Amino acid sequence: DGGITQSPKYLFRKEGQNVTLSCEQNLNHDAMYWYRQDPGQGLRLIYYSQIVNDFQKGDIAEGYSVSREKKESFPLTVTSAQKNPTAFYLCASKQPLLGNTIYFGEGSWLTVV
Amino acid sequence: AQSVTQPDIHITVSEGASLELRCNYSYGATPYLFWYVQSPGQGLQLLLKYFSGDTLVQGIKGFEAEFKRSQSSFNLRKPSVHWSDAAEYFCAVGANYGGSQGNLIFGKGTKLSVKP
Repeated sequence: DGGITQSPKYLFRKEGQNVTLSCEQNLNHDAMYWYRQDPGQGLRLIYYSQIVNDFQKGDIAEGYSVSREKKESFPLTVTSAQKNPTAFYLCASKQPLLGNTIYFGEGSWLTVV
Repeated sequence: AQSVTQPDIHITVSEGASLELRCNYSYGATPYLFWYVQSPGQGLQLLLKYFSGDTLVQGIKGFEAEFKRSQSSFNLRKPSVHWSDAAEYFCAVGANYGGSQGNLIFGKGTKLSVKP
């Protein structure tokens, strides 16, 4: 079945460590997104990519990095510079035209221990 | 700036009762509007969307929403709520973001609880 796969579902990070969240899609979508979700905050855009080898910062990019080497993959690295990384992270994809539906993965929980 | 407001953080309704979740948006042009639902610890699922045309939009799971330009609103409704509808609901507007079309701006969500 077509969809978006995020892994791992649960991840624990020690202070000072970088961690990478995986996102893979087989929907043949050009655009991919990373959102962060905190209770009562809704979804906030971290990074997005409209096409391979190109990506743009969203509203809260500080402390995060991404790459887009393949159309189907858009990994997110949470660096040690992110001071409050504990959150639920959602990857999404769509065709870039305005109004097209965004499809979401099942999310990844990141906890700092 | 484009924005979405969901005034109600938490709503509780009885099973079988009607439901209306409010959404107001701020957008300069004709908006593209969406409603998504999220079960705890899961991703978001699209309920319905409005692009143009008929202002009453039908979605999945018996939901509908009405676009009212004069009120800048896109409220979600369901005539009879089921216990399985308990979830968090997000309204979103399609934005021109940083020169690239297609990104969504989300409201902060409304959590729906259903009493038996």
